Amino acid sequence: GQQVMQIPQYQHVQEGEDFTTYCNSSTTLSNIQWYKQRPGGHPVFLIQLVKSGEVKKQKRLTFQFGEAKKNSSLHITATQTTDVGTYFCAGPMTTDSWGKLQFGAGTQVVVTP
Amino acid sequence: DTAVSQTPKYLVTQMGNDKSIKCEQNLGHDTMYWYKQDSKKFLKIMFSYNNKELIINETVPNRFSPKSPDKAHLNLHINSLELGDSAVYFCASNDRGRRDTIYFGEGSWLTVV
Repeated sequence: GQQVMQIPQYQHVQEGEDFTTYCNSSTTLSNIQWYKQRPGGHPVFLIQLVKSGEVKKQKRLTFQFGEAKKNSSLHITATQTTDVGTYFCAGPMTTDSWGKLQFGAGTQVVVTP
Repeated sequence: DTAVSQTPKYLVTQMGNDKSIKCEQNLGHDTMYWYKQDSKKFLKIMFSYNNKELIINETVPNRFSPKSPDKAHLNLHINSLELGDSAVYFCASNDRGRRDTIYFGEGSWLTVV
């Protein structure tokens, strides 16, 4: 079945540094979504990418969808303590099941001041 | 105004007991979900209802039974609780017709002792 893998599993970042987390799917995705979960919180939608090669920016966050629509990345510049949390990518398990998402295992981000 | 609300937020119970978690959404969405997050933060879909009709039923023990009295409510009843059921259960909703992203509730922390 479809698998969505994320690396790294853990990311320790010094405040002010940049980092990237990667998401890879075993199958082509119709879209990919990114969610952020703060410690003790619930997943919150960040962005959805649909087109091959699409790049979207949200302030210091840059999201990219691969040309083959099988991988994605999230790049955060000038990391802040507010970026702490776990970042999940997720893709639909079938082409018509936009809500039945296969989540990656997440990248847990720790920021040191 | 909480969009997706779950009760209870915390639940500690003994093995063998039966418990229920309730969920309500006021977003006017037509589809609701139950996701389970284990201790390693892995998120996995359990069930989905669209307009009160069960549309997704992943490989979940029969002890778990969802019920949707109307499209704004989706409850989860668990019989004969086991230690392995300890997890965070997230209710979620979206508008499947618009292929909207998923909105998660704040989660219900279940601990079976």
